[in-house]
Amino acid sequence: DSGVTQTPKHLITATGQRVTLRCSPRSGDLSVYWYQQSLDQGLQFLIQYYNGEERAKGNILERFSAQQFPDLHSELNLSSLELGDSALYFCASSVASQTTGELFFGEGSRLTVL
Amino acid sequence: QKEVEQDPGPLSVPEGAIVSLNCTYSNSAFQYFMWYRQYSRKGPELLMYTYSSGNKEDGRFTAQVDKSSKYISLFIRDSQPSDSATYLCASAGSGAGSYQLTFGKGTKLSVIP
Repeated sequence: DSGVTQTPKHLITATGQRVTLRCSPRSGDLSVYWYQQSLDQGLQFLIQYYNGEERAKGNILERFSAQQFPDLHSELNLSSLELGDSALYFCASSVASQTTGELFFGEGSRLTVL
Repeated sequence: QKEVEQDPGPLSVPEGAIVSLNCTYSNSAFQYFMWYRQYSRKGPELLMYTYSSGNKEDGRFTAQVDKSSKYISLFIRDSQPSDSATYLCASAGSGAGSYQLTFGKGTKLSVIP
């Protein structure tokens, strides 16, 4: 158990809909990262927050947004969903603002868009 | 060209074999090199961590980095069925703008009893 909690574990929805994925980092970790994992693209970095502030942005679509709350949990909002958004979405956390590679991953949220 | 390239396999070996997993990377700014292991339906977990070039050994696992050829390797000795998983190599730079890891696509390994 990494200590990172993600909900929901599975989500099935239709195209055009909006979903919210939630992540609670390990106790004491200030950074939260969101990754998307698909078979053809592998694990792709989406966005990082550190202590409530956006720290880095990766390949995140404009239809997607995230935030980190004062209690350090984070939410990833996916809107106007398309079939291609079906993937595993992972949250990871770390203590530092700058990654040294020691990220702790949750078990992921599997999103299926029909 | 992806910044980190990894042969997706799958790779199937008999129990007890030595396994060699490899990645190449293109970004000269990468200084941190990691191997993550991902079991089916689980999140990746850090297996090995190396800074700059050289070898690092931890039990049956050895990680090697050759920065001159931009080559990352993971060796597993006396492989066990419990080693069956997907292995992801990852790299990160240092300095400003290098906050995120870049992952390879992963190599799926099966160790047959």
